[in-house]
Amino acid sequence: AAGVIQSPRHLIKEKRETATLKCYPIPRHDTVYWYQQGPGQDPQFLISFYEKMQSDKGSIPDRFSAQQFSDYHSELNMSSLELGDSALYFCASSFDSGQGLSYEQYFGPGTRLTVT
Amino acid sequence: AQKVTQAQTEISVVEKEDVTLDCVYETRDTTYYLFWYKQPPSGELVFLIRRNSFDEQNEISGRYSWNFQKSTSSFNFTITASQVVDSAVYFCALSERYNTDKLIFGTGTRLQVFP
Repeated sequence: AAGVIQSPRHLIKEKRETATLKCYPIPRHDTVYWYQQGPGQDPQFLISFYEKMQSDKGSIPDRFSAQQFSDYHSELNMSSLELGDSALYFCASSFDSGQGLSYEQYFGPGTRLTVT
Repeated sequence: AQKVTQAQTEISVVEKEDVTLDCVYETRDTTYYLFWYKQPPSGELVFLIRRNSFDEQNEISGRYSWNFQKSTSSFNFTITASQVVDSAVYFCALSERYNTDKLIFGTGTRLQVFP
């Protein structure tokens, strides 16, 4: 079965540089979520999109922005990178039936970002 | 406020032992969903189970079983006859449908199964 695809899998950037992470959801999934997992920590919600509109926003720095495109893939743009941005970034997708049901989120393999 | 507590930071067992991972949650909503995810050393997050707040039936899937008790706000996970491949960090998570489906994770329990 098709899974969530994230690219790149590993990324090394220097401080103050910019990074773009990409996420391709499972086919027919219309909702995308981004999470950040620091070393030894639990995943923290950053932002989500439903049908290409932002649906919720968590503790995402102003230096970060994201969007969902017409083909439902999503990109997380990170600027002025800081050492503390080093983390595993997960994208997850789910299907929203619009009937008040919450379906499980399937996670991609993550992008490991290292800022030096 | 939403909160998930996994009081057990790390558990070590020997293969074939049974082990229970505890999860206690807090929420003001009457409609919510509980999840368990497994994160093996390779790093991916693997979905294990989803439970909605109206379904308190326990569930068994092979060696895995889950006990959901609303009275104690707990959603515990038991692995029977543990195996080395079960070694991973296990996260319990909560989502509230009212506003958003974002997942609130607990801090995770690291399970080490020794041969």
